[in-house]
Amino acid sequence: NAGVTQTPKFQVLKTGQSMTLQCAQDMNHNSMYWYRQDPGMGLRLIYYSASEGTTDKGEVPNGYNVSRLNKREFSLRLESAAPSQTSVYFCASRRERDQYGYTFGSGTRLTVV
Amino acid sequence: SQKIEQNSEALNIQEGKTATLTCNYTNYSPAYLQWYRQDPGRGPVFLLLIRENEKEKRKERLKVTFDTTLKQSLFHITASQPADSATYLCALGTNAGKSTFGDGTTLTVKP
Repeated sequence: NAGVTQTPKFQVLKTGQSMTLQCAQDMNHNSMYWYRQDPGMGLRLIYYSASEGTTDKGEVPNGYNVSRLNKREFSLRLESAAPSQTSVYFCASRRERDQYGYTFGSGTRLTVV
Repeated sequence: SQKIEQNSEALNIQEGKTATLTCNYTNYSPAYLQWYRQDPGRGPVFLLLIRENEKEKRKERLKVTFDTTLKQSLFHITASQPADSATYLCALGTNAGKSTFGDGTTLTVKP
């Protein structure tokens, strides 16, 4: 099925460990996004990529890095995980920069202990 | 600072009634506004987008209004069903390509 695929679905890290969250979309969308969602809160933008080869910081970029590997793939890296990064991470894509809704993946539930 | 408020954390209504959810914002000039549905453990699903120069948009049992003077959007679900129970998120977008989400309202439709 067409859409946004995120891996892994669940992950437990120890403080200080690193990991990369993977995201791929097969809809030929130009823009891709990484959001985090904490309990009872809305989605907060971490990083986004308006097109292949470009990335920009969102609202909460500290502690994260991203790579837009190609048009399909946009990865999120935690270099040294902290308990404050315990959250559900959603990747999303959109056909154009503006005026269209996002297509979200099913999320990665990350726990940092 | 920019702020988005969705009317209440939870809304309970009886099946068959119209559910009305509110999204208010301050210190923001959105080019468009979106509504999403999110079920527990799932990613949000896009429902409707309304642009700043549009007053109302409909899709099946859903209706969205957008009043840029009041800085408010209303989201209506008519003839509500238990299957409509979910969390609904509003999101404001600018021409810079980013969207800011509200915290959501959890709707429960009782049979």
